[in-house]
Amino acid sequence: TQLLEQSPQFLSIQEGENLTVYCNSSSVFSSLQWYRQEPGEGPVLLVTVVTGGEVKKLKRLTFQFGDARKDSSLHITAAQPGDTGLYLCAGSYYDSWGKLQFGAGTQVVVTP
Amino acid sequence: ETGVTQTPRHLVMGMTNKKSLKCEQHLGHNAMYWYKQSAKKPLELMFVYSLEERVENNSVPSRFSPECPNSSHLFLHLHTLQPEDSALYLCASSQVGGDPQETQYFGPGTRLLVL
Repeated sequence: TQLLEQSPQFLSIQEGENLTVYCNSSSVFSSLQWYRQEPGEGPVLLVTVVTGGEVKKLKRLTFQFGDARKDSSLHITAAQPGDTGLYLCAGSYYDSWGKLQFGAGTQVVVTP
Repeated sequence: ETGVTQTPRHLVMGMTNKKSLKCEQHLGHNAMYWYKQSAKKPLELMFVYSLEERVENNSVPSRFSPECPNSSHLFLHLHTLQPEDSALYLCASSQVGGDPQETQYFGPGTRLLVL
């Protein structure tokens, strides 16, 4: 079973600060997705990265995919309380037929 | 609104009860999934259906019984559950083969409490 590790498990910051969440695996991903989940809701897709070294930006969120396609990071600039949530990374592996391996998530709390 | 709906949103049941969870997707996808989400643990894939046929069963106890009558609907029938089965049950759908990124879209989940 491939393991997908996220760090840190929990992050509490003040509004306006920056934060980075990491996602690592020993196996190569065919693609990697980042989701955000709010209490009482299902995960909502933020971005999918597929190319090694790829960088995608979504407003104040920056997603990087490692050159070796084994790791990814999510960076939030000038965090706002609305960024509070559980951030999940999910990797798709070659020959996995659409199945995703999820990390345990990083709980982010942004206080005003 | 992700295009995937789940009912009920909350369910409390005793260990001897029988209940069913329902999922419906309005996205025209050909694959549907059941996941279990417990606190501080990764989402656990339970079942996968493709074109209404079950293609994966990740060693899930027989007290969980899935049903996929058509490509838009998915059920999870529950009977004689245990307290450790209390969790958030998430349904998802995707278009396998048509979307190179094979994005999964999740419903809001059913929060299940087994007493």
